[in-house]
Amino acid sequence: NAGVTQTPKFRILKIGQSMTLQCAQDMNHNYMYWYRQDPGMGLKLIYYSVGAGITDKGEVPNGYNVSRSTTEDFPLRLELAAPSQTSVYFCASSYQGLDQGTQYFGPGTRLLVL
Amino acid sequence: KQEVTQIPAALSVPEGENLVLNCSFTDSAIYNLQWFRQDPGKGLTSLLLIQSSQREQTSGRLNASLDKSSGRSTLYIAASQPGDSATYLCAVPYNNNDMRFGAGTRLTVKP
Repeated sequence: NAGVTQTPKFRILKIGQSMTLQCAQDMNHNYMYWYRQDPGMGLKLIYYSVGAGITDKGEVPNGYNVSRSTTEDFPLRLELAAPSQTSVYFCASSYQGLDQGTQYFGPGTRLLVL
Repeated sequence: KQEVTQIPAALSVPEGENLVLNCSFTDSAIYNLQWFRQDPGKGLTSLLLIQSSQREQTSGRLNASLDKSSGRSTLYIAASQPGDSATYLCAVPYNNNDMRFGAGTRLTVKP
């Protein structure tokens, strides 16, 4: 049982490039989330999904897109990377909504945009 | 809007000390409150979850309390060890699908 996995672990992008951050979970969780964590700050929600085919915006969605074609996978797409997107990105999943249960986090992807 | 604050931002203690980490939140209408641990370069690990109807939760040397009316929670760590060195974050659900996090307290336990 691998839990939540993320790839890559680290990536350097040039301004204007695009990339997809991969996230997968093997716990059959319906809920999945993408957060970003800037230095010295708490995590901020980018997008979330309550099931396959259903996604919605979080607190900071601009510059990102997501899709959820399967229960297991929840990729995050960065289009036209900007220096402001330099951050550590965490994917998380939960079996129930946040009012009832805890989240399980992946190890993170560190992204540097130059 | 729910805002979560953690004080202090950093704390250094000698091994064996008991310590308290503080978390405050602005909207007392919460479902629950969670404490997480984050090791450098790693993801978050859930330590304790306190439901809104509870006053405290315990796990080993960790004890978390919750006072909804005052918008505060504390994480008490007994007999600290160097292995407890990490960043501790508290978080509350803003709605069913958004968790609001504090910036964390970076704890260093010196041998």
